[in-house]
Amino acid sequence: DTAVSQTPKYLVTQMGNDKSIKCEQNLGHDTMYWYKQDSKKFLKIMFSYNNKELIINETVPNRFSPKSPDKAHLNLHINSLELGDSAVYFCASSPVGTLNNEQFFGPGTRLTVL
Amino acid sequence: AQSVAQPEDQVNVAEGNPLTVKCTYSVSGNPYLFWYVQYPNRGLQFLLKYITGDNLVKGSYGFEAEFNKSQTSFHLKKPSALVSDSALYFCAVREAYGGATNKLIFGTGTLLAVQP
Repeated sequence: DTAVSQTPKYLVTQMGNDKSIKCEQNLGHDTMYWYKQDSKKFLKIMFSYNNKELIINETVPNRFSPKSPDKAHLNLHINSLELGDSAVYFCASSPVGTLNNEQFFGPGTRLTVL
Repeated sequence: AQSVAQPEDQVNVAEGNPLTVKCTYSVSGNPYLFWYVQYPNRGLQFLLKYITGDNLVKGSYGFEAEFNKSQTSFHLKKPSALVSDSALYFCAVREAYGGATNKLIFGTGTLLAVQP
């Protein structure tokens, strides 16, 4: 039983294409996140949704658009892919309410832009 | 602004020896502190957290961490390292107030290599 799942696991695509990454959590959590981990393993938050509402939007190009159809899903759509978008993207979730809850991470999607 | 520093890119230790992975933080108020571990090609897994109370917190796989307010540190420790502990370890901090926009900030990670 996978708590936070992401598809696809690997994504190889050409510059200029549009792609989506899907995330689902079966933990009943209200808050979901997208993180980007670069080639140096540096991890940075991109977006956070709480009950389908966007609450954190870091300085991310507007080519990146998250969509939350319901609180168990948070998908990431990327338009006009660039070489610099190559990274591992992690979805995560946590319970709502307090700031001291740990986050549960998905296995990651390795995006390679050629 | 909150921040977290992991001064060592890599820590090498022999199996059976104690290990320490260092973390220092900076926040305006009280911190919530976390350690996560990332095995190769996997997502991050929660190890332990400090919220309040005892400065020594115990977590998964025999790890523990000590919160030191005066030194603004939260070093991860284990009395006896295992080869299977070899992984990338992340320290993270968020301030203990503010709304849902309060972000979790991660350190740059420390690669722990345990030699047999």
